[in-house]
Amino acid sequence: DIQLTQSPSFLSASEGDRVTITCRASQGISSYLAWYQQKPRKAPRLLIYGASTLQSGVPSRFSGSGSGTEFTLTISSLQPEDFATYYCQHLNTYPPTFGQGTRLEIK
Amino acid sequence: QLQLQESGPGLVKSSETLSLTCTVSGGSMSHSQYYWGWIRQPPGKGLEWIGSIYYAGRTYYNPSLKSRVTISVDTSKNQFSLRLTSVTAADTAIYYCAKSDSAYIYDNWGQGTLVTVSS
Repeated sequence: DIQLTQSPSFLSASEGDRVTITCRASQGISSYLAWYQQKPRKAPRLLIYGASTLQSGVPSRFSGSGSGTEFTLTISSLQPEDFATYYCQHLNTYPPTFGQGTRLEIK
Repeated sequence: QLQLQESGPGLVKSSETLSLTCTVSGGSMSHSQYYWGWIRQPPGKGLEWIGSIYYAGRTYYNPSLKSRVTISVDTSKNQFSLRLTSVTAADTAIYYCAKSDSAYIYDNWGQGTLVTVSS
């Protein structure tokens, strides 16, 4: 199975900050990567797929980039509703796996 | 707008079978070329893909669970189901059903249901 490693695992930031989360794959996955946001006691929400395509309805402050083995999710200016846990997921091969998550908290 | 809702027992005894159903509303499963999947999340931990079923019936399972998992669909009821046999405490998790346009990108999720395996 392809392993995804997210860094950092925990991130403390302030409203208005620009933050970046990294996801590294154990082997090349082209652009077959998605990002999800999960708030406590809620189901995950798809933010980005194809490494950089914004899902409909997702604010433009979210962006994704990368290909191969290294990917990033960037939030350009943190809003209060962005404090959550973020997961990457590869879509390249079966089975799809998720990263371990990055918890983004208010500083 | 499709909505998904999981249902089933919240408590299952060790060694028995976990059975959950996902009811889809707001559209017909039989007219939708989607993949319907199950993903789980142990309390306080990350996400694990269990498997999925294509609307036409083809199934895909996580190799780590394949020997114990069955996913089926009943388009007449607009439902799909998960069966996981021989459960242990390690199967305690929130189970989500979800819909995908393209195999693994899940853009619509149920709210999740907690299943606890007791000894």
